[in-house]
Amino acid sequence: DAKTTQPNSMESNEEEPVHLPCNHSTISGTDYIHWYRQLPSQGPEYVIHGLTSNVNNRMASLAIAEDRKSSTLILHRATLRDAAVYYCILVTGNQFYFGTGTSLTVIP
Amino acid sequence: SQTIHQWPATLVQPVGSPLSLECTVEGTSNPNLYWYRQAAGRGLQLLFYSVGIGQISSEVPQNLSASRPQDRQFILSSKKLLLSDSGFYLCAWSAYFRGQPQHFGDGTRLSIL
Repeated sequence: DAKTTQPNSMESNEEEPVHLPCNHSTISGTDYIHWYRQLPSQGPEYVIHGLTSNVNNRMASLAIAEDRKSSTLILHRATLRDAAVYYCILVTGNQFYFGTGTSLTVIP
Repeated sequence: SQTIHQWPATLVQPVGSPLSLECTVEGTSNPNLYWYRQAAGRGLQLLFYSVGIGQISSEVPQNLSASRPQDRQFILSSKKLLLSDSGFYLCAWSAYFRGQPQHFGDGTRLSIL
């Protein structure tokens, strides 16, 4: 029961910033916004999460719209190792529902 | 630090055979535990989650079951496997507090013949 909408695929040039969008128009006030990424044949890896304010960590930045109905994951300088499927999910209580994500291709 | 162990990494089973996949977490107490299945080229489907020993919530009706006999142990089982049970099975844990990130194991690739 995915509650988020993401583009199926995106491309980026190496060493350039990447903005991965996510729409979650039915978000409730207590839903957290999480981002994960998955390489082939591996489990997903946590990237970042937030509730209302923008967040930064060593991997990425998360920009959350003021109405919380959309968010953007920002990779500041894409590398070849960032090529993966990126999932944006809403976390309601203890439940995590993954959609199909965005497949990011990084072009050398 | 916390670690999650999931085994086996790959498994080939005949149709109709039983299944038992085990997942254990170290370095944390009272974690939330999850089982997901991923079909080839698809997203993750939540199968079961548990907030405590003996407490299992099922998300998808199927011939699979889950059990949590100990705080940091989560088991996925089936009495009779179907061809449609093939896939990549992932175990994950998150801290008890609401909204905390999930951390995944390396997964089990299950093929049914």
